[in-house]
Amino acid sequence: DIVMTQSPDSLAVSLGERATINCKSSQSVLYSGNNKNCLAWFQQRPGQPPKLLINWASTRESGVPDRFSGSESGTDFTLTISSLQAEDVAVYYCQQFHSPPYTFGRGTKLETK
Amino acid sequence: QVQLQQSGPGLVKPSQTLSVTCAISGDSVSSNSATWNWIRQSPSRGLEWLGRTYYRSQWSADYAVSVKSRITITPDTSKNQFSLQLSSVTPEDTAIYYCVRQQAGFHYWGRGTLVTVSS
Repeated sequence: DIVMTQSPDSLAVSLGERATINCKSSQSVLYSGNNKNCLAWFQQRPGQPPKLLINWASTRESGVPDRFSGSESGTDFTLTISSLQAEDVAVYYCQQFHSPPYTFGRGTKLETK
Repeated sequence: QVQLQQSGPGLVKPSQTLSVTCAISGDSVSSNSATWNWIRQSPSRGLEWLGRTYYRSQWSADYAVSVKSRITITPDTSKNQFSLQLSSVTPEDTAIYYCVRQQAGFHYWGRGTLVTVSS
């Protein structure tokens, strides 16, 4: 199974400041069909299912604010929120969808400082 | 717009079978480009993919090794839905169960069904 190692477990950031969450896959999740990484980022608020924010490591989903961005370097992936807003308080997960079993990181709880 | 409506009992006794159904609107369970997945979430196990069913000229299913001996995911084309059955449950199977459509990404999720395993 591909192991997704996410860090940090929790993060406190001031409103308007940058938040950075990291995720590392234990092996390549590159899809040869389009040369893109099969890596997704989700946001989960209490009582709700996870919401897909970013697909293919860096493609923002429709309707997702442009303060959210994803980047990649080999098997290292980063979710960045450029200017934290109050509504961004949530738990964030990375996930690989390269091959089943599709595995998730353990989550990063993002709070305001 | 795809919508997934989940139904099923919230309480199951140990050793019995857990069953949750996911009704699909806005797409077809027989789609030849989507897969239909079950994912569960618990504090101890986090988000855990359990398995999927999909149609590509014939029906197929894939399951996580951790539950492979106990799980069945089946489509129902007449009702445009798919179901999860997990047998011989223990308190460790207590979790929120989600049905999810995958088509180049896990875009659409059901609202989740909290299933508690307790006598």
